[in-house]
Amino acid sequence: NAGVTQTPKFQVLKTGQSMTLQCAQDMNHNSMYWYRQDPGMGLRLIYYSASEGTTDKGEVPNGYNVSRLNKREFSLRLESAAPSQTSVYFCASSGAGGEAFFGQGTRLTVV
Amino acid sequence: GIQVEQSPPDLILQEGANSTLRCNFSDSVNNLQWFHQNPWGQLINLFYIPSGTKQNGRLSATTVATERYSLLYISSSQTTDSGVYFCAVVHMYSGGGADGLTFGKGTHLIIQP
Repeated sequence: NAGVTQTPKFQVLKTGQSMTLQCAQDMNHNSMYWYRQDPGMGLRLIYYSASEGTTDKGEVPNGYNVSRLNKREFSLRLESAAPSQTSVYFCASSGAGGEAFFGQGTRLTVV
Repeated sequence: GIQVEQSPPDLILQEGANSTLRCNFSDSVNNLQWFHQNPWGQLINLFYIPSGTKQNGRLSATTVATERYSLLYISSSQTTDSGVYFCAVVHMYSGGGADGLTFGKGTHLIIQP
């Protein structure tokens, strides 16, 4: 049982480049989330999807787009990366019971 | 939005000591979780505890929802307990909707041998 799987684990981008972070869960959860974690801070919600076909903005959505491809997969896209988007990104999912489970994170550096 | 405050921000203990970490939140919650972020950055689920008391080995947690706080107890600390401990909550809005977990800034725990 893999849980929540994110790819890639590490990425370096140049300012202005685009990329998509992938996330998949195998727990049949309805809800999926993308967070970012900056040094010395807790995680902040970027976007979430309460169910397949729906997405909503979180606390820090600017500069990002998301796609809930199906029940398993939820991707995060940076259209034009900026140094301020250097961060560690976490994907998570939760089911009817409410408990959230996190992927291993993606460390993104924008130079 | 809901505010989550954790204390203390930093804690240094000797191996074998006990500790209590606190999480205060500003509104009613229908989900509260404690996580341990290890030195490799992995977030490990410790407790899902919107109310009541749970224990798992040397760790236990209590949430008093009516008073808007939760406590995480670590007994007989080991060096492997080092890392950052996060409290995170979900607030259900009056219209029935809810977004994701809101995290506190964490307690950075260092256990010295």
